[in-house]
Amino acid sequence: AQSVTQLDSQVPVFEEAPVELRCNYSSSVSVYLFWYVQYPNQGLQLLLKYLSGSTLVKGINGFEAEFNKSQTSFHLRKPSVHISDTAEYFCAVSRNTGFQKLVFGTGTRLLVSP
Amino acid sequence: DTAVSQTPKYLVTQMGNDKSIKCEQNLGHDTMYWYKQDSKKFLKIMFSYNNKELIINETVPNRFSPKSPDKAHLNLHINSLELGDSAVYFCASSQVTSGSQADTQYFGPGTRLTVL
Repeated sequence: AQSVTQLDSQVPVFEEAPVELRCNYSSSVSVYLFWYVQYPNQGLQLLLKYLSGSTLVKGINGFEAEFNKSQTSFHLRKPSVHISDTAEYFCAVSRNTGFQKLVFGTGTRLLVSP
Repeated sequence: DTAVSQTPKYLVTQMGNDKSIKCEQNLGHDTMYWYKQDSKKFLKIMFSYNNKELIINETVPNRFSPKSPDKAHLNLHINSLELGDSAVYFCASSQVTSGSQADTQYFGPGTRLTVL
């Protein structure tokens, strides 16, 4: 079985500052990794995903994440955040075979203030 | 031109009632899902259907019964509602491809269920 840990429940940051949201996973098999964003009162939207290949993945809205197999991590980063980035961010994992079953972390609330 | 839609958006009901939530996707996907998001924002998969066939059934009480009349629809019926069923329920869809590619899951806007 897979599991995901997002240690930070909330990350406050000032506008235009860089941010990193941490995600660690556990799995006995090879996995795919995802970051989703949930804006208030909305559904989830995919930011980026790692399937294979380059460990640095670029996504929408200027976000990127780096897959680190040895540390079983998939941290999300943005060099300069905007007020509009305020949202809940979910890291998710699925095994890379069979039908996809996403296992989510508990989410990190990113709070961007002026 | 909404990709994944759910109705209703809000549902308030009394304990013991039976209710349904509908989900439709116009993306041509062959796989649909139901997720439950609790009050702490934790998201957990409940069911998944591929081409109208149930492929994932997590440890969900049998009061919850998904029904997929066709590939574009996956409805969720809940019998004898309990207080603990209060949550936001999300429908999602994806296209399962051959090989090892994992396609993106597209989520609906959610249905907030409140059981009084």
